[in-house]
Amino acid sequence: DAGVTQSPTHLIKTRGQQVTLRCSPKSGHDTVSWYQQALGQEPQFIFQYYEEEERQRGNFPDRFSGHQFPNYSSELNVNALLLGDSALYLCASSLVLFLAVTEAFFGQGTRLTVV
Amino acid sequence: GENVEQHPSTLSVQEGDSAVIKCTYSDSASNYFPWYKQELGKRPQLIIDIRSNVGEKKDQRIAVTLNKTAKHFSLHITETQPEDSAVYFCAASIGRNYGQNFVFGPGTRLSVLP
Repeated sequence: DAGVTQSPTHLIKTRGQQVTLRCSPKSGHDTVSWYQQALGQEPQFIFQYYEEEERQRGNFPDRFSGHQFPNYSSELNVNALLLGDSALYLCASSLVLFLAVTEAFFGQGTRLTVV
Repeated sequence: GENVEQHPSTLSVQEGDSAVIKCTYSDSASNYFPWYKQELGKRPQLIIDIRSNVGEKKDQRIAVTLNKTAKHFSLHITETQPEDSAVYFCAASIGRNYGQNFVFGPGTRLSVLP
């Protein structure tokens, strides 16, 4: 049973560039959420995708966008990169159960460095 | 929106002693409270969670308590071991309809001294 997988593990980009990060959810999960974790800080919620639509969004600008595919995998896109976008980007997957609560599991993250 | 506070920010204990980390949340609509352990350079790992309809939950050396009225929840680790050393994050759920999204506390760096 594969857990949450993310690619790439590390990435270096230049200011102003665009980046795409990828996530495959845990087997059986249908919801993907993205978090940004700056060094020494807690994860901050970016947005969540379910049924190929953005369902909830944290306090992040429109430069951050995403997509979910029919197989539940997801991409996070960041445009016009800033130095402050340097962080560990975490993907978490869970299963939507309207009358129950399910755990969320995190991938190993993608370390993005903007220079 | 939801805000989660966590104390202490750092905690050092001797091996075998107990450790307690406390969190408070602001949004009474939050209904799920997980605790994650994160070792340096690794992913956050769920160690225990509690639902809003439960006051206490225990799993071997780890326990969590929830006081919904006061909007407090706490993590208790007994018989600490050096491998318990890590950063611990509490979290509170936000939104209700589509799975789990969280606001995290700022974290507690736990050091267990041999």
